[in-house]
Amino acid sequence: QLQLRESGSGLVKPSQTLSLTCAVSGDSVSSGEYSWSWLRQPPGGALEWIAYIYRTGTTYYSPSLQTRVSISLDKAKNQFSLELTSVTAADTAVYYCARVSEDTYYFDFWGQGTLVTVSS
Amino acid sequence: EIVLTQSPATLSLSSGERATLSCRASQSVDSYLAWYQLRPGQAPRLLIYDASKRATGTPARFSGSGSGTDFTLTISSLEPGDFAVYYCQQRTSWPPMWTFGGGTRVEI
Repeated sequence: QLQLRESGSGLVKPSQTLSLTCAVSGDSVSSGEYSWSWLRQPPGGALEWIAYIYRTGTTYYSPSLQTRVSISLDKAKNQFSLELTSVTAADTAVYYCARVSEDTYYFDFWGQGTLVTVSS
Repeated sequence: EIVLTQSPATLSLSSGERATLSCRASQSVDSYLAWYQLRPGQAPRLLIYDASKRATGTPARFSGSGSGTDFTLTISSLEPGDFAVYYCQQRTSWPPMWTFGGGTRVEI
């Protein structure tokens, strides 16, 4: 049974770096059918796509975040990660990892999300 | 950048009633539109993709329609678990990018 589980720092100080990991079980991050992505939802706000990584390692980022964000794949650990630098209170959100079907390019399976608060 | 506008922001209905949610794109997205359901404390769920195709496990009471700039998600008869927030989302073909609408809350 597929599971995506987000983990990482729940409280980050302004100007520091937010780091999250998504552990994948029940599927391989190297599979030929899926890619992987991070999204977020600020309190009271809408969903926002952040980053995407193809199974070969090719990456794409939201234009509004691309100068601060990085996504990476760890095939040995079957997980992928997100780093967001120079965070501010506006980066406070529930962060989700998700699987992307390479057949349809939609987010067909999601983790439950993890709340990250940016505060001193 | 394509902007998706959802209406209404909130829909107040009762179990058994029909819900009609709208999503309008600022320019044509062909049929590259999906609908997701978000319930508190749960993982978001893909309901509809390519405007009208049900994702695996989506009940038949959920249906999607539209193409170009105007799209609709219809829930034919609301069940208690359907009271949630619904988002539409579009994707560009290349480079891949995804944007979401502002959401519609379906409440009792």
